[in-house]
Amino acid sequence: GENVEQHPSTLSVQEGDSAVIKCTYSDSASNYFPWYKQELGKRPQLIIDIRSNVGEKKDQRIAVTLNKTAKHFSLHITETQPEDSAVYFCAASKDTDKLIFGTGTRLQVFP
Amino acid sequence: DGGITQSPKYLFRKEGQNVTLSCEQNLNHDAMYWYRQDPGQGLRLIYYSQIVNDFQKGDIAEGYSVSREKKESFPLTVTSAQKNPTAFYLCASTIGRGQYGYTFGSGTRLTVV
Repeated sequence: GENVEQHPSTLSVQEGDSAVIKCTYSDSASNYFPWYKQELGKRPQLIIDIRSNVGEKKDQRIAVTLNKTAKHFSLHITETQPEDSAVYFCAASKDTDKLIFGTGTRLQVFP
Repeated sequence: DGGITQSPKYLFRKEGQNVTLSCEQNLNHDAMYWYRQDPGQGLRLIYYSQIVNDFQKGDIAEGYSVSREKKESFPLTVTSAQKNPTAFYLCASTIGRGQYGYTFGSGTRLTVV
């Protein structure tokens, strides 16, 4: 079945710097790749997603890139702010819509 | 509150006891899911249901059971066969098949006492 690996497990950056989180997936038939943000004690929330017919998608300070050949996708956060501190999860699915999640990245943004 | 409600927020279980976690949604979503979250292990799929009266096992279904008698409701029972049930349980729903993100509930933290 599908397996999603996520790196790094923790990431510390200075406010204003960029942060990059990377994920790889095993099933070449996967075609949907969302990213979730989970603040401490709260539910995961969808922040951006990308489909396999697109190579890059941006939403203000957040962007996601997809390399189908290498089977990896990345989350880029620019001009980081303290409120970006959270755990971020990547996920992948095929048309059956069952999401398989990565193990999460704890991002800390220091003022 | 996001249209998907989990209760209770905290639950304590004694050894050998079955407990049921509630998940209700008013989003008219077809598909519903249960995930377990442990520190450092991300979200692991327990059971999912894409239509009423039908459900499938996920990666860690042993020791759990579910039902889907109504579109709005997908309760999860943690049975005494689940040897390590202490975890954070998240319910999610999505509009149906295809490439759509999940809406998550606020979770239930289950502790064995």
